[in-house]
Amino acid sequence: SQTIHQWPATLVQPVGSPLSLECTVEGTSNPNLYWYRQAAGRGLQLLFYSVGIGQISSEVPQNLSASRPQDRQFILSSKKLLLSDSGFYLCAWSRTSGSYEQYFGPGTRLTVT
Amino acid sequence: GDSVTQMEGPVTLSEEAFLTINCTYTATGYPSLFWYVQYPGEGLQLLLKATKADDKGSNKGFEATYRKETTSFHLEKGSVQVSDSAVYFCALSERASNTGKLIFGQGTTLQVKP
Repeated sequence: SQTIHQWPATLVQPVGSPLSLECTVEGTSNPNLYWYRQAAGRGLQLLFYSVGIGQISSEVPQNLSASRPQDRQFILSSKKLLLSDSGFYLCAWSRTSGSYEQYFGPGTRLTVT
Repeated sequence: GDSVTQMEGPVTLSEEAFLTINCTYTATGYPSLFWYVQYPGEGLQLLLKATKADDKGSNKGFEATYRKETTSFHLEKGSVQVSDSAVYFCALSERASNTGKLIFGQGTTLQVKP
């Protein structure tokens, strides 16, 4: 069976500090991968998606970036965090054909102080 | 572009009440439709899905039928429990591309009181 991991689970960072969130998927190969942000009490905002190694598409302009150095690894980064980057970050994966349901990780709660 | 609209929340029900959360969509082509559930502090879990018109998805007592004529996918449960309290998201897949991107509704909070 497939599993998806995210770490860390929680993070408190000062404004201006760098960020690195990691997501890994087990039990499948060549998945589509996604990063979402969920602000408190709000819906989901798709930040990035990837259909293959080194292939990253950005959905919204911001000071975040994403990378996919390995088939089942997806990393979300920032060089300098802003207060507005606080939120709940979710990673998800889907197969590359069929009905495209996505499976989500447990999330990372980021607080920028 | 494609879009999903859910009923505004929060929805507050007593235990054993009947639940309906409305979801309508706009899409080109024939998307797959999904309901996800999010418990406090957790990621989203796939609750059920339907991939073509008139399909009924079901899981854990929840049901939703893909209605192409009304472009709807309403979530129902006959008797809710306190443990069903969560945020529910309706979503559709963008079948026009192979990216697997989903379009989500804004979410509906359900509170079930004992």
